Amino acid sequence: QSALTQPASVSGSPGQSITISCTGTSSDIGAFNYVSWYQQHPGRAPKLIIYDVSNRPSGVSNRFSGSKSGNTASLTISGLQAEDEADYYCNSYRNVATLYVVFGGGTKLTVL
Amino acid sequence: QVQLQESGPGLLKPSETLSLTCTVSGGSISLYYWGWIRQPPGMGLEWIAYIDHSGVSNYNPSLKSRVTTSVDTSKSQFSLEMNSVTAADTAVYYCVRLWGYGRFDFWGQGTLVTVSS
Repeated sequence: QSALTQPASVSGSPGQSITISCTGTSSDIGAFNYVSWYQQHPGRAPKLIIYDVSNRPSGVSNRFSGSKSGNTASLTISGLQAEDEADYYCNSYRNVATLYVVFGGGTKLTVL
Repeated sequence: QVQLQESGPGLLKPSETLSLTCTVSGGSISLYYWGWIRQPPGMGLEWIAYIDHSGVSNYNPSLKSRVTTSVDTSKSQFSLEMNSVTAADTAVYYCVRLWGYGRFDFWGQGTLVTVSS
């Protein structure tokens, strides 16, 4: 069981927008603005697409955006494209006795 | 552009020690934390540990008793050791750069480690 909870799968049609949630607790997502999101295509290493809740690294499309409310972070992908079909993971820090990194279980995005 | 490359045995027997090394090129190993993340086949990501150039480290509490990390700045390398491996440790192991808080911005290609008798 992963530390952060994500839906197993989401889907959308090209051009649509989708949102992937990442739910934690007041010890992780609720405590820190250090949520990151990663995109992973099959057989490839993950790629950082969002950091510090809502910031995009250089070169990442502005179709990707992030937000947070309470203990839940969200990744929104607008204008879905076929190339967006991938697995998406969130991560955060957790402070329980010690400070460490936790990941969500991942969400498979299917572009219909 | 920073590049990371994992190296180490791909097949281990239960109870053996997993040893992996990551070589960093295209950037200084002294400016960031460097870490390890694994992914069992068909499953999600699990953070293992990270370490900085001076040896300051942090470990996943669930793995801490079996894991050690080290760094060799002269070779621009950092390493992972995990003892008493079982089949549950079978995974693709990635070495990563930690930029800021929880931001893993550069990843190696990953190396599959299989634990089987």
